[in-house]
Amino acid sequence: GDSVTQMEGPVTLSEEAFLTINCTYTATGYPSLFWYVQYPGEGLQLLLKATKADDKGSNKGFEATYRKETTSFHLEKGSVQVSDSAVYFCALTNFNKFYFGSGTKLNVKP
Amino acid sequence: DAGITQSPRYKITETGRQVTLMCHQTWSHSYMFWYRQDLGHGLRLIYYSAAADITDKGEVPDGYVVSRSKTENFPLTLESATRSQTSVYFCASSDPASYNEQFFGPGTRLTVL
Repeated sequence: GDSVTQMEGPVTLSEEAFLTINCTYTATGYPSLFWYVQYPGEGLQLLLKATKADDKGSNKGFEATYRKETTSFHLEKGSVQVSDSAVYFCALTNFNKFYFGSGTKLNVKP
Repeated sequence: DAGITQSPRYKITETGRQVTLMCHQTWSHSYMFWYRQDLGHGLRLIYYSAAADITDKGEVPDGYVVSRSKTENFPLTLESATRSQTSVYFCASSDPASYNEQFFGPGTRLTVL
């Protein structure tokens, strides 16, 4: 069946460091891919999405490219801030079913 | 208020009691979902609904009951609460016409003593 695998955390970075959180997926057909962010004590918010191969989703300095050949959707940011500290979830939707990764906690130190 | 709301935000109950968590969305999204979030388990799907009067089990449905008589409401009932149901519960909704992007409520923190 369909699934999402993302790197385990926590990931600890210093402010202004480069961020990569890996996400790979298994799916039949043509899924849509998402990154969600969860700040402490809050629900999940959509960070970015890509709906077809080679699409790049971007928002708030974060980017991810839908790579069908490597079944990946890695999240990147060039310079993280303390305010980016949160849990990040990779997800896919396919045939009206939704699958989440296990989440990666990011800690950014000043 | 526009969006998706959950009530109550916090609830403490005792083992064996019935508890209902409410979820309301204003977008008329056809799909609605209930998840629980526990440390070390990420998000786990409890139940989902594709439309009013259509519900289906997710990954961890045991001990929970749902109904969906109206498109905008999707209550989750714990018929006889157990300590293992202590968790944070999130409701979400989505619209297949928008690539099924899910919109989440703020969550309900439930403690079963």
